[in-house]
Amino acid sequence: KNQVEQSPQSLIILEGKNCTLQCNYTVSPFSNLRWYKQDTGRGPVSLTIMTFSENTKSNGRYTATLDADTKQSSLHITASQLSDSASYICVVIPNTGTASKLTFGTGTRLQVTL
Amino acid sequence: DAGVIQSPRHEVTEMGQEVTLRCKPISGHDYLFWYRQTMMRGLELLIYFNNNVPIDDSGMPEDRFSAKMPNASFSTLKIQPSEPRDSAVYFCASSGTPLGYGYTFGSGTRLTVV
Repeated sequence: KNQVEQSPQSLIILEGKNCTLQCNYTVSPFSNLRWYKQDTGRGPVSLTIMTFSENTKSNGRYTATLDADTKQSSLHITASQLSDSASYICVVIPNTGTASKLTFGTGTRLQVTL
Repeated sequence: DAGVIQSPRHEVTEMGQEVTLRCKPISGHDYLFWYRQTMMRGLELLIYFNNNVPIDDSGMPEDRFSAKMPNASFSTLKIQPSEPRDSAVYFCASSGTPLGYGYTFGSGTRLTVV
């Protein structure tokens, strides 16, 4: 069964600190892997999209990495801000060309405090 | 563009009542998706449409759930009769392709069945 597991489930950090969120997946073969940010009461918003051949992709203070050999991805947040408080969801899209096979992780809930 | 628009934002209903959730996709997007999000199971795809035609409804939990897309700018998800276990946040998303980079979620409808 294709699965996407994220860790930690939740995380509290001080403003200005860095943090790294993990995503392990078993989906294979896959087309691309995405990280979404979901603010409370809002829908998920795409942060990064990486194809199989990409190792890293940045979006401002967010940097995603991908190791297709070990089937791991990470999302690194640099110099965290209060507005980074949200859930971060890893999504793996298999190489089947159908939306019904998107596999979502259950997310990491990040809280940035003063 | 106003993005994907869902209504209502919140819905509280009594068990056994009919509930209808509404979605207006982004203009020009040919794909529309309905998701359900719970703490335990995360985001789950219920059904998706392509050019107003349902393509995959294998995620619809049971016959109490039905979805329609009468035209390119409107879709509904109906639950009849509703049950407490249907309580969740329901998201609509649209995209120009099934796995496209323009994949956009609405803000969701929080449904509570008491």
